[in-house]
Amino acid sequence: DAGVIQSPRHEVTEMGQEVTLRCKPISGHNSLFWYRQTMMRGLELLIYFNNNVPIDDSGMPEDRFSAKMPNASFSTLKIQPSEPRDSAVYFCASSVAGPGETQYFGPGTRLLVL
Amino acid sequence: GNSVTQMEGPVTLSEEAFLTINCTYTATGYPSLFWYVQYPGEGLQLLLKATKADDKGSNKGFEATYRKETTSFHLEKGSVQVSDSAVYFCVTNSGGSNYKLTFGKGTLLTVNP
Repeated sequence: DAGVIQSPRHEVTEMGQEVTLRCKPISGHNSLFWYRQTMMRGLELLIYFNNNVPIDDSGMPEDRFSAKMPNASFSTLKIQPSEPRDSAVYFCASSVAGPGETQYFGPGTRLLVL
Repeated sequence: GNSVTQMEGPVTLSEEAFLTINCTYTATGYPSLFWYVQYPGEGLQLLLKATKADDKGSNKGFEATYRKETTSFHLEKGSVQVSDSAVYFCVTNSGGSNYKLTFGKGTLLTVNP
């Protein structure tokens, strides 16, 4: 079975540019998570969707960040405009909602903003 | 809120050595506990989990027991291999239907031949 798919795997962009990260969750999973991983802050939850609806976006850093989930098989995380401090690895994860359910992580997108 | 404290790394061992990575947690309710592993350049993968007190999770020779009395979930392996080199994260969620995971800072394990 295919796991969580993310694209691109690597992105290098210049400050001020728009960046769009993409995620395809595991088929049948109804919860989707976007995380950011940095050396300084570790893993941070940015946003959580359940049944395509954003439930918790309290971790989204600021208005420059937005996320959508137009259907059960696709989600995007957009940064506009990007800044050097956004450089990080961004992970998408999905799960079947329920107590104690495992989250399955994608391979991540390594973003470098120059 | 929940928190997880795990042993700071890095940890360097020789092949076939015994591994322990300590983890303690604070949480409300009845959390589930997880160990995730991150191999170089990859995403996190679930290694094992335990959903209630005294449960033992195990996978690939790794074990961890959910100890409510000591609020601990220490990871152990009797004989590590070079291929076990990775970062290990102790993770908890809140009890019930809470989706939020709380991650430890991660412990880098390097196993030398």
